[in-house]
Amino acid sequence: GDSVTQMEGPVTLSEEAFLTINCTYTATGYPSLFWYVQYPGEGLQLLLKATKADDKGSNKGFEATYRKETTSFHLEKGSVQVSDSAVYFCALSAYSGAGSYQLTFGKGTKLSVIP
Amino acid sequence: NAGVTQTPKFQVLKTGQSMTLQCAQDMNHNSMYWYRQDPGMGLRLIYYSASEGTTDKGEVPNGYNVSRLNKREFSLRLESAAPSQTSVYFCASSEIGLVEPTRQPQHFGDGTRLSIL
Repeated sequence: GDSVTQMEGPVTLSEEAFLTINCTYTATGYPSLFWYVQYPGEGLQLLLKATKADDKGSNKGFEATYRKETTSFHLEKGSVQVSDSAVYFCALSAYSGAGSYQLTFGKGTKLSVIP
Repeated sequence: NAGVTQTPKFQVLKTGQSMTLQCAQDMNHNSMYWYRQDPGMGLRLIYYSASEGTTDKGEVPNGYNVSRLNKREFSLRLESAAPSQTSVYFCASSEIGLVEPTRQPQHFGDGTRLSIL
């Protein structure tokens, strides 16, 4: 079945440091790829998405490129802020049969940014 | 816009008690989902409803039942709560169209934190 593997945390960075969170996937067919962010005490929010090979999703200074050849969708940000402290989830969306489409999530990576 | 609303936000139950978690969305989405989130496990799909009138099992359906009451509402019921069901429960919805349906993101509620003693 489909699966998503992302780097384990927690990750602790100083403010203005460069961020990379690795994500690789296994899927049949042509999935869409997503990064979601979860702030403390809240639900998941869509951060960015990419729907086909070589697409780059971007939002709030975060970027990720859909790499079909390496089955990867790594999240990057050039300069993190304290407000970026959250848990980040990589996910893929694929057809699961009978007219339904499901998200498969990675286990999440907790990011803490210190001043 | 409220988006996806879940009630209650917190609940403590005793083993063997029953309860229903409520979820409503105001985005006119066709599909709705229930997940549980446990430390180190990410989100796991319990049940989903691809459209009004249909429900299907996800990865971890045992001990749960669901009802798609109408297009807006999708409830999750624990008939006899067990400590292993202590978790944070999230409801989500998405619009699955006929064209490129995998592109549509899911929209999440803020969760219900459930403890079973």
